[in-house]
Amino acid sequence: KQEVTQIPAALSVPEGENLVLNCSFTDSAIYNLQWFRQDPGKGLTSLLLIQSSQREQTSGRLNASLDKSSGRSTLYIAASQPGDSATYLCAVRPRNTGKLIFGQGTTLQVKP
Amino acid sequence: DAMVIQNPRYQVTQFGKPVTLSCSQTLNHNVMYWYQQKSSQAPKLLFHYYDKDFNNEADTPDNFQSRRPNTSFCFLDIRSPGLGDAAMYLCATSRVDQVNEQFFGPGTRLTVL
Repeated sequence: KQEVTQIPAALSVPEGENLVLNCSFTDSAIYNLQWFRQDPGKGLTSLLLIQSSQREQTSGRLNASLDKSSGRSTLYIAASQPGDSATYLCAVRPRNTGKLIFGQGTTLQVKP
Repeated sequence: DAMVIQNPRYQVTQFGKPVTLSCSQTLNHNVMYWYQQKSSQAPKLLFHYYDKDFNNEADTPDNFQSRRPNTSFCFLDIRSPGLGDAAMYLCATSRVDQVNEQFFGPGTRLTVL
């Protein structure tokens, strides 16, 4: 059974810092992995999607990596800003299924 | 802009009173999903439609039903809401292609009194 874990559960950093959020999954047989952002009381915004054949994806100040063999993904945020404060969720799509399995998220606070 | 729309954004119902949540999409995606997210927890898939084919998760309570009358609309019916059903309900869509990225709506926050 696929399980997704995100550590730490919460993170507080000063503005301007570069930071890394971690995601691990137990079964490497995945189709893809998505990183989402969720603001309080809101829906999910897709940030990056990495296919199982890819190693990383970049969008602006965000860079996501995938190491399928070790069951790990990281989301790197460069030059963090207060507007980056949100909960970040990673989700894997196992092979042969359309469903996403989510981690519980990392709640990020960037202090001015 | 193509998007996933959920109505209402906030829904209050009474214990045991049936309630329907609505999702519509302009993306013309053939797959639509309903997730339940309780406070500080990960979203949990309830069921999904692949075109008209309904796929229920094994642990989704019978109290939860869904309808998809056409490609654009999908409804979540909760027949007899209990206090434990209070949650954020998220609708998502995807297209069956090589990428299969899921796009989420803003969610409906359900309160059960």
